Amino acid sequence: GEDVEQSLFLSVREGDSSVINCTYTDSSSTYLYWYKQEPGAGLQLLTYIFSNMDMKQDQRLTVLLNKKDKHLSLRIADTQTGDSAIYFCAENRGNQFYFGTGTSLTVIP
Amino acid sequence: NAGVTQTPKFRVLKTGQSMTLLCAQDMNHEYMYWYRQDPGMGLRLIHYSVGEGTTAKGEVPDGYNVSRLKKQNFLLGLESAAPSQTSVYFCASTQQGEQYFGPGTRLTVT
Repeated sequence: GEDVEQSLFLSVREGDSSVINCTYTDSSSTYLYWYKQEPGAGLQLLTYIFSNMDMKQDQRLTVLLNKKDKHLSLRIADTQTGDSAIYFCAENRGNQFYFGTGTSLTVIP
Repeated sequence: NAGVTQTPKFRVLKTGQSMTLLCAQDMNHEYMYWYRQDPGMGLRLIHYSVGEGTTAKGEVPDGYNVSRLKKQNFLLGLESAAPSQTSVYFCASTQQGEQYFGPGTRLTVT
């Protein structure tokens, strides 16, 4: 809801990098998040970035934030079949969180 | 440390029936949330609580009520279920910007 937008699908070959993109709406959001959801499970917090940063790296994950364009991306290096899942970006505004519709990542062996 | 748990995991209701979904967290988090997840719509916030005894409406509160009598529990009630409330319901708790989710409750209203 609330206009956090993501593309619906992404397919990559095993070993390649994946880049999942998101645009958000509120320039005053304090944190921006990436979550992973596997079938039949809840959302797992992968990483998040504080709004005064423009990059955060955590092992195979790199988050880039462009505040001017309100654009957030998640890069997964050396994508594995276990990375196949739905990925959600989210922003917080005050006490509430707003999620994108999710990007379904398929990793082709 | 179980994190966030939800009861039940699955439920089928007939239109007009009522039920309560229970969310429990053992992390001493102040903030708790109820979301629904529908295909192609991401997660939408139903109600949330910023502390024991407090509740607030989210994006889609109609047809639902909540209570936070104890800090560790957040209950979601459906007084008269409708087919439009068929969904997967997720509870979450938050501390210092990090939000943790339960495994979900799949509810079907026929």
